[in-house]
Amino acid sequence: NAGVTQTPKFQVLKTGQSMTLQCAQDMNHEYMSWYRQDPGMGLRLIHYSVGAGITDQGEVPNGYNVSRSTTEDFPLRLLSAAPSQTSVYFCASRKGRVNQPQHFGDGTRLSIL
Amino acid sequence: GQQLNQSPQSMFIQEGEDVSMNCTSSSIFNTWLWYKQDPGEGPVLLIALYKAGELTSNGRLTAQFGTTRKDSFLNISASIPSDVGIYFCAVRLSGTYKYIFGTGTRLKVLA
Repeated sequence: NAGVTQTPKFQVLKTGQSMTLQCAQDMNHEYMSWYRQDPGMGLRLIHYSVGAGITDQGEVPNGYNVSRSTTEDFPLRLLSAAPSQTSVYFCASRKGRVNQPQHFGDGTRLSIL
Repeated sequence: GQQLNQSPQSMFIQEGEDVSMNCTSSSIFNTWLWYKQDPGEGPVLLIALYKAGELTSNGRLTAQFGTTRKDSFLNISASIPSDVGIYFCAVRLSGTYKYIFGTGTRLKVLA
């Protein structure tokens, strides 16, 4: 009963390095999304996908890329990490029908030095 | 951008007390959600509200969808230590697949 799995759980990067945060779900959910959580700011949507091959920008997309080649996986890429991207990143998924609840992973804690 | 304002930002309560928190917006939304986040984990959905005026319970939790569709309230009765965490409200932007979250209410329960 894995649900939404995020890897790694923790990561420290240097400014300018690149990295991919992995997200996988085994519930056959059409909709997947990435959020970042910063102190006092709740969760902000970075990118989302409504199905394989379809992605769109959220509230704070700059500095991040995504792709959705399969229903199960939705990786988030940082091409050139910046200290402002230090945050906790959450992946979520849900069924595509309206009003279905989102299921969240346990997060990736990312520090950029 | 659209904002959800949650109050209070944080609260300390004694075990056994009832808790009330709210979430307000300047815009109308048709779906209101309440999540709880425990330390080191992702948010977990507590209650979903889809109709103005709706009152929904989940154990000791009760949430209401305001009649103006611009606010929602969450009540916790007879709090216990495991109620500690951050409570977030969230809304779905009409006509989209996007959700926005409030800034959270941090709850601490004193045994």
